[in-house]
Formats: sequence, C-alpha cells, structure tokens
Amino acid sequence: TQLLEQSPQFLSIQEGENLTVYCNSSSVFSSLQWYRQEPGEGPVLLVTVVTGGEVKKLKRLTFQFGDARKDSSLHITAAQPGDTGLYLCAGGRDDKIIFGKGTRLHILP
Amino acid sequence: GAVVSQHPSWVICKSGTSVKIECRSLDFQATTMFWYRQFPKQSLMLMATSNEGSKATYEQGVEKDKFLINHASLTLSTLTVTSAHPEDSSFYICSAYRDGDTQYFGPGTRLTVL
Repeated sequence: TQLLEQSPQFLSIQEGENLTVYCNSSSVFSSLQWYRQEPGEGPVLLVTVVTGGEVKKLKRLTFQFGDARKDSSLHITAAQPGDTGLYLCAGGRDDKIIFGKGTRLHILP
Repeated sequence: GAVVSQHPSWVICKSGTSVKIECRSLDFQATTMFWYRQFPKQSLMLMATSNEGSKATYEQGVEKDKFLINHASLTLSTLTVTSAHPEDSSFYICSAYRDGDTQYFGPGTRLTVL
C-alpha cells in the first residue's frame, strides 16, 4: 500500500509555464516535506509544512498543506529548465519519513 | 544546513563479495540514522533505522543478515551488503536525524554488482 500518492508521475512542459503537482494520502501526517532530487544525488529538502492550511513560498515555488493534513501541493510559477528534477513528497510518521513515488519534472527550454 | 557524507560514492563489485558503505554526519551528532534504497526511476524505500549503540530496526522485507548495519558512534553508521548479488545493485542513501530539526540526506552510493 502506497501511503503517499503523487501526481502526475511525469510532467514535461515548456519554460515559462506554470504547473502544480500533488501529494495525497488517506492518512494524517504530523508534517509533510517536499524534496528535489537530481540524478545520482541525494534528495534536498525544499520545505516542511506542519500546520493544516499552511502555505509556504520559496521564490517561484508555493507549497500548501491541506486543512486535514492529508495532502499537499507544490505550484511552480514560470518554470525554468533549472527546475527539472524529481520532486518527492514525504510524510513524517513514527519518527520515520515515508516517501511518495515522486513526480519527474522536465522543463523544456 | 547540516552536512552528511557517504563513502564511497560509487562501487562496483563481483557477485558474492561484501561491500561496506559509510554514512557520516560531519557537523552534528546523530543518534538516529536511516538507510534507504532507490532503484532507477523509483522513490526512496526505507530499509532500516540505525540507532547509536543499539541494534538497527529493519523494515518489513529487508533481510537483516544481508544488510548489516552498525552505528558505533554518534557520527558514523555503516551498511554492509553481504554476499552481494546483481539484484542488490541500487542507489543507497543514508540520512542523519539532527535532534529537534530534521533528517539530512547524504549524496548516495551507487552499487553495481557484476
């Protein structure tokens, strides 16, 4: 059973477009994190959201945590080729981090 | 942010040999470290939780006798893949948990078993 479902799995868009990726679960998490991973490297933490309804912004990236703390979204404005990568959401549970399968994003120049 | 290193960054070995991977927290002490495995184009799967001074806790389906974990100090955890086989080829990533903060991930070790 996949606790965290991410959608879409793959996304290829033109530079300058906006996009949203989603992370959904039937379970409540104490916190949700978003990571970006480049090929051959470990994941790098982008943001942690802990409060239901919380919105955090990181330059062109906007992260939202659902009111019920079961889902989250990542919105990228005016995507750039440098945004290309694997975006992983992860939920905190019992002192562990459980990862979703990720959204592989490719921004075309 | 905190720094976690892994060594080696990549390794190629023959089937049947054992390989040791080190995970170090360079600027903080970590009582808890985690080991993940990532197959190509897939997500990270937690293998085990490494606790300093005690036995590791393995996730369901992970063979503890095959993947030996030692967390001998507050800055070092090692994962030994014993009698490696081609199906063990993967990207192994560790993370170290800094108390009151979060997990910090290492850069990963790519293991290829011939």
